[in-house]
Amino acid sequence: GAGVSQTPSNKVTEKGKYVELRCDPISGHTALYWYRQSLGQGPEFLIYFQGTGAADDSGLPNDRFFAVRPEGSVSTLKIQRTERGDSAVYLCASSLGTGLTDTQYFGPGTRLTVL
Amino acid sequence: AQSVAQPEDQVNVAEGNPLTVKCTYSVSGNPYLFWYVQYPNRGLQFLLKYITGDNLVKGSYGFEAEFNKSQTSFHLKKPSALVSDSALYFCAVRDLTGGGNKLTFGTGTQLKVEL
Repeated sequence: GAGVSQTPSNKVTEKGKYVELRCDPISGHTALYWYRQSLGQGPEFLIYFQGTGAADDSGLPNDRFFAVRPEGSVSTLKIQRTERGDSAVYLCASSLGTGLTDTQYFGPGTRLTVL
Repeated sequence: AQSVAQPEDQVNVAEGNPLTVKCTYSVSGNPYLFWYVQYPNRGLQFLLKYITGDNLVKGSYGFEAEFNKSQTSFHLKKPSALVSDSALYFCAVRDLTGGGNKLTFGTGTQLKVEL
């Protein structure tokens, strides 16, 4: 079946601009996660949703970052007033539920470059 | 806080030889451990996980991992390496704080399998 999809695959923007990154989870998965992977690092947690609500947003670096999942499926990560330090690969994952044994399956990522 | 460490930035092995990619963990409570693989310009692919039970966990593509509680390790292994196994490998632990649904990743180990 279809995996997690993310669009766009690449996004180049200028400092100060607004960007939106989209994630389409595996069908039927109730939990959705956003991670950020900087060059040479492992992914770092940003936020996760259980259904429509953000259950844990402790990883968002500041208030320029915001994410929504209005219908409990597709999610959008929004970054305002982008900075060069926001350049990274943004990964989305989904899992069937939020049990401790549930596995997170990742999408291919969106590579964001802020000039 | 939960954490994992991958002490080797790179591991080189000849095709056909056994491979080991090391991971140690630090958790409070029971560990929930995962291995993922990342190919260039692609997202993370799930390999295997340890939740409870047998210390030897078998996963995808012939990989297995050995959970060792006394050494707090969860090393990834494969009896016979293939050139196509060359990729970036990440160990991760389930972080049980804040709802327990985020993964904390190591910094990754680049595996290079040579003919």
